[in-house]
Amino acid sequence: DGGITQSPKYLFRKEGQNVTLSCEQNLNHDAMYWYRQDPGQGLRLIYYSQIVNDFQKGDIAEGYSVSREKKESFPLTVTSAQKNPTAFYLCASTQGSSYEQYFGPGTRLTVT
Amino acid sequence: AQKVTQAQTEISVVEKEDVTLDCVYETRDTTYYLFWYKQPPSGELVFLIRRNSFDEQNEISGRYSWNFQKSTSSFNFTITASQVVDSAVYFCALSAWFGNEKLTFGTGTRLTIIP
Repeated sequence: DGGITQSPKYLFRKEGQNVTLSCEQNLNHDAMYWYRQDPGQGLRLIYYSQIVNDFQKGDIAEGYSVSREKKESFPLTVTSAQKNPTAFYLCASTQGSSYEQYFGPGTRLTVT
Repeated sequence: AQKVTQAQTEISVVEKEDVTLDCVYETRDTTYYLFWYKQPPSGELVFLIRRNSFDEQNEISGRYSWNFQKSTSSFNFTITASQVVDSAVYFCALSAWFGNEKLTFGTGTRLTIIP
């Protein structure tokens, strides 16, 4: 089955620790995205990558970092510099500008 | 800058009633794409429809229909004969025609269907 996997589904961390969220796709899509969702709000773009070894900041990149060493993988690191890291994180991918984005099941991160 | 407004934060209707979710967008682009996604309680976003700015024909898919009016910058979504399984948060989104396919989302409408 083709799709996007995100692990883990729930993640708990202590304040001050970096944490990496996994996103893997087997859809052979070039472009991948990370979004953040807070209660009662829409999704906001953190980072995106249109090709391997290249990525761009989205609207709320501060306190986050990414890498894109393989086409199928786009991990997101939430650093201790992110002031309010507790949120629902969604990864997406797309075949190109004429196509819809497919989303993973999300990771709910709680930092205390 | 692009912006999507979903003014209805929450809507509740009794099962079998029809319901319309509103979406108004702003963009300086002359060509663009519009989307609707459904987010059930599980959290994963499910794609419903993509419409390009050249195509203003209404679209119907089963109980779902969409009304795109470029003149009013609106892309409304109607569910007829609603069912409990339609309960979810629905997002409208906008992306540029060319470039990086970034989606700009509205804040979503939480739809509750009462049995």
